[in-house]
Formats: sequence, structure tokens, C-alpha cells
Amino acid sequence: DQQVKQNSPSLSVQEGRISILNCDYTNSMFDYFLWYKKYPAEGPTFLISISSIKDKNEDGRFTVFLNKSAKHLSLHIVPSQPGDSAVYFCAASGEAKAAGNKLTFGGGTRVLVKP
Amino acid sequence: DAGITQSPRYKITETGRQVTLMCHQTWSHSYMFWYRQDLGHGLRLIYYSAAADITDKGEVPDGYVVSRSKTENFPLTLESATRSQTSVYFCASSDNTYGYTFGSGTRLTVV
Repeated sequence: DQQVKQNSPSLSVQEGRISILNCDYTNSMFDYFLWYKKYPAEGPTFLISISSIKDKNEDGRFTVFLNKSAKHLSLHIVPSQPGDSAVYFCAASGEAKAAGNKLTFGGGTRVLVKP
Repeated sequence: DAGITQSPRYKITETGRQVTLMCHQTWSHSYMFWYRQDLGHGLRLIYYSAAADITDKGEVPDGYVVSRSKTENFPLTLESATRSQTSVYFCASSDNTYGYTFGSGTRLTVV
């Protein structure tokens, strides 16, 4: 049973528009959430994160929103650029350092930004 | 060069063969992880290690063996490869904060 789900396997958006990626989780023990970006033939790279004590975190064009009651988070990319075309993974961590920060990943969403 | 490196980048092996994927990191991070990436499943944890000589199973450990005799190395061995183990394998390390640094991956094909 997947504890972290990204229900949209792909997303196509026009350059300059907003990209919204969604992620749902089931484990209420998760207390830290991350987004990773992955280009073909490369490893995932960290993009942005949010702690469960916050409901929003912003870094430049990237904003992550967390709705704990709904067990839902989203990543907004504004404005979207062609270089944002990649696969985005949502990840969650619980029990912090005691568990060695094991991350549970979602299935990924492939984003295509059209020029 | 500093970083985390995986080798080989690509590997084709036959069913039943033993194959070892290598992972080396230069930061002396305590934690190291092996994930596999499959379509529809995202990244799934195979094994992880909290320190040298300390390893534990992840979500999908069957058919895999790991060792960590030195902090910087974390090899993953498929004892008898099966077609279901065809995947892209990623190694990652962490300094006990929440972020991981991933290697570039090993694409393994079992024929």
C-alpha cells in the first residue's frame, strides 16, 4: 500500500503558466516533506521541503503548500520554464533522526513545459 | 572529486548471475541508502545503513544483499538476478539532516 501517492503521472503546461503538482499521504507520522526533481539519466536532486509545523514554504519560483488535515501537499511552480521539464517526486519522512531519515517517495509526476 | 558515485552506469546480466552495484561517497555521511526506480512505483527503498557495519531492510529487500565495511562504500549485490530486478538503482547518502544526495544511478537489465 503506497503511503505517498502522486495521482497525476504527467502534466503539460505552457511556458510562463503555473504548474501545480499534487501529493497525498496516508501515514500521520510523517512530519517532513520534500520535493525532488529528476532529469533523465541523472539522480534526483533536492528542490524544496516543508516541516509539518508550517503550511507554506517558498523558494524563488517554487512554493510548497501543506494541508495536514487533508494529508495533502502541493508544489507550485510560477512561472514555469522549459528547464523545469523533469520528473518530480514527492517524499515524506517520519520519526526524524531515530529512523535515519528514511524517505518514502511517491510515484512521480512528469512535467513538460511547452515553449 | 567530492560526491557520490555509482558504478557501473549500465549493466546487462543474465538471469541467475550474481551482480554487484557499487556506491562510493566522499563526505563521510553516516547514512546511505539504496533505492530502485520503477515506472508507477517511484523510488522504493531496498536497504539502508546508519553507519559502518549497521544495515537494515527497506521496503523491497528480497533478493538483495548489502554490506558496509567502510563508511564510504555501500555495495548492493543481487545474489541471483531475476528479470523483475531490471530497474534503475540509485544510491544516496545523508548527513542525518533531511536531505539526501543521490548518485547518478545504475541502469540494470536482466535478460
